Amino acid sequence: DVKVTQSSRYLVKRTGEKVFLECVQDMDHENMFWYRQDPGLGLRLIYFSYDVKMKEKGDIPEGYSVSREKKERFSLILESASTSQTSMYLCASSLLGGTSGSYEQYFGPGTRLTVT
Amino acid sequence: AQKVTQAQTEISVVEKEDVTLDCVYETRDTTYYLFWYKQPPSGELVFLIRRNSFDEQNEISGRYSWNFQKSTSSFNFTITASQVVDSAVYFCALSGFNTGGFKTIFGAGTRLFVKA
Repeated sequence: DVKVTQSSRYLVKRTGEKVFLECVQDMDHENMFWYRQDPGLGLRLIYFSYDVKMKEKGDIPEGYSVSREKKERFSLILESASTSQTSMYLCASSLLGGTSGSYEQYFGPGTRLTVT
Repeated sequence: AQKVTQAQTEISVVEKEDVTLDCVYETRDTTYYLFWYKQPPSGELVFLIRRNSFDEQNEISGRYSWNFQKSTSSFNFTITASQVVDSAVYFCALSGFNTGGFKTIFGAGTRLFVKA
């Protein structure tokens, strides 16, 4: 079974803090993704990575950065947390896919981040 | 434009009823993948099915069935004899070369309530 783990289920941080969210997958997937999920806004892609040290901006990258130093690990960094970044953060991974697109994604349990 | 529309925001049924979740998509790609995911109250998105655009055969897995009709750009999901455990948010998704290769576009989701 594919397993995607996230470092925390719940996190409370203060405004201005630097926040690290870690994600690890154990299936040797090339692609990894970070999403945030907010009521009424669905899933929004923040960043994704298709290889080690490679990253691509998603739909809402502002205020975030990412790091992928090893294939199995993809970190999301909030450089200076703000209350608007209070959300559920979901990590996912998938095989690379082909010309028909990306294969199915496997998600972690999510991290509910509250910024006060 | 690449787009996934789930017009039903919420559906409420009584246990043992059949229920169909609608999904309509738009894509410029000639080959693409379609997916369904389930997000139970625990929060973790679970992959249910991937369908390639050149395979229009319907699929059945237990109480779940999927109807893919390329002519109407629809990929509907039917749960037969619904159970309380089916209560969740269900997402339809699309991946194709023109969605950005590695990205997946998710619909807004349909929240299904199954009452005992």
